[in-house]
Amino acid sequence: GESVGLHLPTLSVQEGDNSIINCAYSNSASDYFIWYKQESGKGPQFIIDIRSNMDKRQGQRVTVLLNKTVKHLSLQIAATQPGDSAVYFCAETTTSYDKVIFGPGTSLSVIP
Amino acid sequence: DSGVTQTPKHLITATGQRVTLRCSPRSGDLSVYWYQQSLDQGLQFLIQYYNGEERAKGNILERFSAQQFPDLHSELNLSSLELGDSALYFCASSEDTRVKQYFGPGTRLTVT
Repeated sequence: GESVGLHLPTLSVQEGDNSIINCAYSNSASDYFIWYKQESGKGPQFIIDIRSNMDKRQGQRVTVLLNKTVKHLSLQIAATQPGDSAVYFCAETTTSYDKVIFGPGTSLSVIP
Repeated sequence: DSGVTQTPKHLITATGQRVTLRCSPRSGDLSVYWYQQSLDQGLQFLIQYYNGEERAKGNILERFSAQQFPDLHSELNLSSLELGDSALYFCASSEDTRVKQYFGPGTRLTVT
């Protein structure tokens, strides 16, 4: 299938530190990327998005970086808080089709 | 609260049975997406509808079907259920295609 089998990377950070979550996307033709946060027992929640004509986009405490050369996406969370503990998914889509491909996710655990 | 509602929240049924999951999108959203999330396959895109028409298809089995009604709510029908169909099923909606999606709380299906 298009979704990568689930080998969930984990990241543990100290409260107050910055977190960086990485994602390697699959299709060089992808032109729209989204980060979602999924807390236990809930549906994914939109965090931030970026289109391929940009390299960087900032939101509130979050920054997304896009490197199209190596097909890499990252999510930076500043001053990580316990409420940031969740699984984070990157997603990609292209102009040639509308279906969204999700990465396997990264589990972020914040240590108080 | 994303504004997307899904019913039922939990569903327990036996192998071989048929179930219908229901989704009401956010007010004004024309696109509805269905996803399956299981432990070994991550978040998989199943199908998308836009204003009543099928727009994109992902890894949806032939035993599964969906439709979007004139009032824009959507139903996902799962038939001849197998143990492996046990998963969380999410619906998401968006204003248009290739923009951020808002996910519902999901329906947890258990096939025994």
